[in-house]
Amino acid sequence: EDKVVQSPLSLVVHEGDTVTLNCSYEVTNFRSLLWYKQEKKAPTFLFMLTSSGIEKKSGRLSSILDKKELFSILNITATQTGDSAIYLCAAEPLNTGTASKLTFGTGTRLQVTL
Amino acid sequence: EPEVTQTPSHQVTQMGQEVILRCVPISNHLYFYWYRQILGQKVEFLVSFYNNEISEKSEIFDDQFSVERPDGSNFTLKIRSTKLEDSAMYFCASSEALFSGRAGELFFGEGSRLTVL
Repeated sequence: EDKVVQSPLSLVVHEGDTVTLNCSYEVTNFRSLLWYKQEKKAPTFLFMLTSSGIEKKSGRLSSILDKKELFSILNITATQTGDSAIYLCAAEPLNTGTASKLTFGTGTRLQVTL
Repeated sequence: EPEVTQTPSHQVTQMGQEVILRCVPISNHLYFYWYRQILGQKVEFLVSFYNNEISEKSEIFDDQFSVERPDGSNFTLKIRSTKLEDSAMYFCASSEALFSGRAGELFFGEGSRLTVL
């Protein structure tokens, strides 16, 4: 059974801090690792990572994948209160000709305080 | 920006009743999904749908669940005889074609919260 484990479960930081969120996975026939941000309801897409060692960056957020050690990290620099959310990691298996099926972790709840 | 829309946002129903949750995926997407999230728990895959048929379904998606694309825009999830444990947030999602390499990039709707009493 595919499994995704995230740590820490929750985190409280001060505005301006840098945080690192962790995600490890066990997936048969791995295709990609995805990060989503869930603020109130719908998860919104952040990154999709398919190759090891190539950092993806979007503003203050960046992420990298290690396919040898089966983990990914999501970094947020200079955190702001608007970064407060649950960050979800999901693994996508390689399916041949079928739709995507994501296995999600439990998420890391990040709270950024003033 | 195109988005996935879901209705209703919240439905309260009695145990044993049938519910239909509706979704309008992004128009040029070819893959459609239902996920659910029980309060405080993980987002869980229910079913994927492509080319007017179920592509894959999880163990959760038993005979009481069904999906349909009744017309060119709507995608529905029907729960035939609801149970207390069906109470959850149900997310519809859609994604591009597999060959685009972005099939895993799901666009989620705002969710339909189902409360079974």
